Amino acid sequence: GENVEQHPSTLSVQEGDSAVIKCTYSDSASNYFPWYKQELGKRPQLIIDIRSNVGEKKDQRIAVTLNKTAKHFSLHITETQPEDSAVYFCAASGSYGQNFVFGPGTRLSVLP
Amino acid sequence: ETGVTQSPTHLIKTRGQQVTLRCSSQSGHNTVSWYQQALGQGPQFIFQYYREEENGRGNFPPRFSGLQFPNYSSELNVNALELDDSALYLCASSLRGNTEAFFGQGTRLTVV
Repeated sequence: GENVEQHPSTLSVQEGDSAVIKCTYSDSASNYFPWYKQELGKRPQLIIDIRSNVGEKKDQRIAVTLNKTAKHFSLHITETQPEDSAVYFCAASGSYGQNFVFGPGTRLSVLP
Repeated sequence: ETGVTQSPTHLIKTRGQQVTLRCSSQSGHNTVSWYQQALGQGPQFIFQYYREEENGRGNFPPRFSGLQFPNYSSELNVNALELDDSALYLCASSLRGNTEAFFGQGTRLTVV
């Protein structure tokens, strides 16, 4: 089955700096890769996603890149703000909304 | 905020008891997936329901069972509760064929 690894497990950056979180997946049949942000005690919120027919997607300060050959994808957050502090999860799934396999999460701390 | 709601928000049960958790999917969504999130970990897929039938299951024992109703709401039932069942239980609703999934706020289950 699918296995998703995520690095780093914790990340601290200064406000205004960039943050990068990397994930790898094992199943070449996976074709949908969402990123979720989870603040303490709250639900995971979808922040950006990418499908396998696209190499990069950007939404304001957030971008995701996908390398299908290497089976890895990354989340990039620019101009970080304190409210970006949360746990970020990457996930992979097949088509038709099949179950997501999540990475173990990255705790991002943005220091003022 | 998503339109996915879960009840109850918190629950304390004794080992060996049974529990039922409920999820109302977002309007227009026909698929509900359930996840278990242990403290400090990523969500783990339990099972998914589509058109009132189980449509995929993760590595969870048969004492984890579910239902989906004609209005697409869903229940997760856990029998013979164990201490390790203590976790945040999340449901996610989606529209089959569209891979975006939105999570409810979760039910925090504590087994003592």
